[in-house]
Amino acid sequence: DAGITQSPRHKVTETGTPVTLRCHQTENHRYMYWYRQDPGHGLRLIHYSYGVKDTDKGEVSDGYSVSRSKTEDFLLTLESATSSQTSVYFCAITKGAGGASEQYFGPGTRLTVT
Amino acid sequence: QKEVEQNSGPLSVPEGAIASLNCTYSDRGSQSFFWYRQYSGKSPELIMSIYSNGDKEDGRFTAQLNKASQYVSLLIRDSQPSDSATYLCAVNAPGGTSYGKLTFGQGTILTVHP
Repeated sequence: DAGITQSPRHKVTETGTPVTLRCHQTENHRYMYWYRQDPGHGLRLIHYSYGVKDTDKGEVSDGYSVSRSKTEDFLLTLESATSSQTSVYFCAITKGAGGASEQYFGPGTRLTVT
Repeated sequence: QKEVEQNSGPLSVPEGAIASLNCTYSDRGSQSFFWYRQYSGKSPELIMSIYSNGDKEDGRFTAQLNKASQYVSLLIRDSQPSDSATYLCAVNAPGGTSYGKLTFGQGTILTVHP
């Protein structure tokens, strides 16, 4: 158990509405990641963070923004949700101080955009 | 060309047999390799990591790495029905070593039948 929680676990929202997903960790890890998982595409990196207020884009960042104002929370925001953002979203952390790549995942958030 | 490719599956093996899962990657600079297991509706769970050429064994699992051939595999001995899951291969992303970024394959579905 990597001490990661995600909220909400399930959400249904309408096209055009803003949505924020929260990832919370209890062990003060520096590196955090947001992925989406879709059939046929596997896990794809959306954004990642390497410290408080330090974030960068992954391979599928369009339509998403993130914030990390404190070590334990990494927020993913869909400014105006679209049906193509219907997916399962996973947060992950690495435990190594130097960004060692063993990643551990939270339980996921299933988002449906209607 | 996909950066990380796994044998497409699904793979079906009888209980007690050896299951062999394969993964190739495109970036010769990759240094860290991981296998995750994901049960339906659950988050990915790290089961093996390998960093050097050769074999690494952990219980019924053996990871094999051949950097010259850009190939990593996972063998599951004495397969059990509880091993039925999707197996994800992950490789540290090109240029991302210092941030722990990973690129995932699309996954291979394994079914172990009694």
